Amino acid sequence: DQQVKQNSPSLSVQEGRISILNCDYTNSMFDYFLWYKKYPAEGPTFLISISSIKDKNEDGRFTVFLNKSAKHLSLHIVPSQPGDSAVYFCAASYDYKLSFGAGTTVTVRA
Amino acid sequence: DTGVSQDPRHKITKRGQNVTFRCDPISEHNRLYWYRQTLGQGPEFLTYFQNEAQLEKSRLLSDRFSAERPKGSFSTLEIQRTEQGDSAMYLCASSNSYEQYFGPGTRLTVT
Repeated sequence: DQQVKQNSPSLSVQEGRISILNCDYTNSMFDYFLWYKKYPAEGPTFLISISSIKDKNEDGRFTVFLNKSAKHLSLHIVPSQPGDSAVYFCAASYDYKLSFGAGTTVTVRA
Repeated sequence: DTGVSQDPRHKITKRGQNVTFRCDPISEHNRLYWYRQTLGQGPEFLTYFQNEAQLEKSRLLSDRFSAERPKGSFSTLEIQRTEQGDSAMYLCASSNSYEQYFGPGTRLTVT
């Protein structure tokens, strides 16, 4: 059963605009949430995380929002840059083990 | 320390053969994880170690899979009697906190 879902397989955005990636989860025991970025032929790279006791965390161009009541989180990237073109995975942690979504492929257009 | 390393990066094997992969974690990390990723999916948890103790194995992990982490340093993942369904990317990650740091993966192709 897929406990973490990313319902948009792809997203195309113009350079300089905002990218918004969404993620939903079903397990209320998840206590920490993370976003990873992956380029082809490389392992996932950690981007940003948020504890379940917070609703927002910001790091430079990246902001993650958590809505626990809706079991929903999102990643905002602003402004989007060509180097942001990659696959983005949402992950949720329970007992230090991660469950991943299927990923969203982001393409930043010049 | 430059991060998590995995060896080999690619492995092609015939069905029925045994294969072994190695992972070297970030040196100060006490937790080490193995994941499997297939095309179009996110990584799936297989097993993890805290120091040398294997704490959990996914029910996805058949008896043909075994992992070790002697002395709490590097880890090996062995697959016996490989099947075509084992073809995937095998990822290793290490951690001292909630954030896990991944290696580049070993791509296994079973022919």
